[in-house]
Amino acid sequence: EAEVAQSPRYKITEKSQAVAFWCDPISGHATLYWYRQILGQGPELLVQFQDESVVDDSQLPKDRFSAERLKGVDSTLKIQPAELGDSAMYLCASSYSRDTQYFGPGTRLTVL
Amino acid sequence: AQSVTQLGSHVSVSEGALVLLRCNYSSSVPPYLFWYVQYPNQGLQLLLKYTSAATLVKGINGFEAEFKKSETSFHLTKPSAHMSDAAEYFCAVSRNYGGSQGNLIFGKGTKLSVKP
Repeated sequence: EAEVAQSPRYKITEKSQAVAFWCDPISGHATLYWYRQILGQGPELLVQFQDESVVDDSQLPKDRFSAERLKGVDSTLKIQPAELGDSAMYLCASSYSRDTQYFGPGTRLTVL
Repeated sequence: AQSVTQLGSHVSVSEGALVLLRCNYSSSVPPYLFWYVQYPNQGLQLLLKYTSAATLVKGINGFEAEFKKSETSFHLTKPSAHMSDAAEYFCAVSRNYGGSQGNLIFGKGTKLSVKP
């Protein structure tokens, strides 16, 4: 069964450092989402791509976060500089028809 | 604006007992509704979804949910809990039209514990 791949699974960094997360969606899925999940809460959307275009990035803190999906396939989410409050699980999801999202295993970020 | 409220951040049941996890939604347009399950340090797995077809939706692992428009509810049930059901459960609503179609808005989650 096809799955969404994410790497790394765990990342520990110091504040003010740069970090990057990678996501490879299920083949053929045009829509890709990045979510942030703070411990004890539900995921919150950061950015949505349709192919290589950003559809919604209204909740992305653009002063430090950036996301790209250059060829409309895999995607990278970057944080620079990281802050203590960025410690969270970063989840990537993809969908074919926009009515069902399939999630990857996530990247657990700890900022020290 | 759409929103989801999950009643009870923590539910504890005995093995073999009924599982009932409550979810109420708010939406000005016909919603799509979802239940996801998350095990520790893992991503979310889809349990079931409502997309305006049958109001009683059956999902994986014996779970089902009923869409009740009059009550704006989408509660998740399972007749008999198993130890492996212990996890966190998230209810979510999404828009079914427009540019940001598909964006999920999640509740805060309900952690289910199953006692032997």
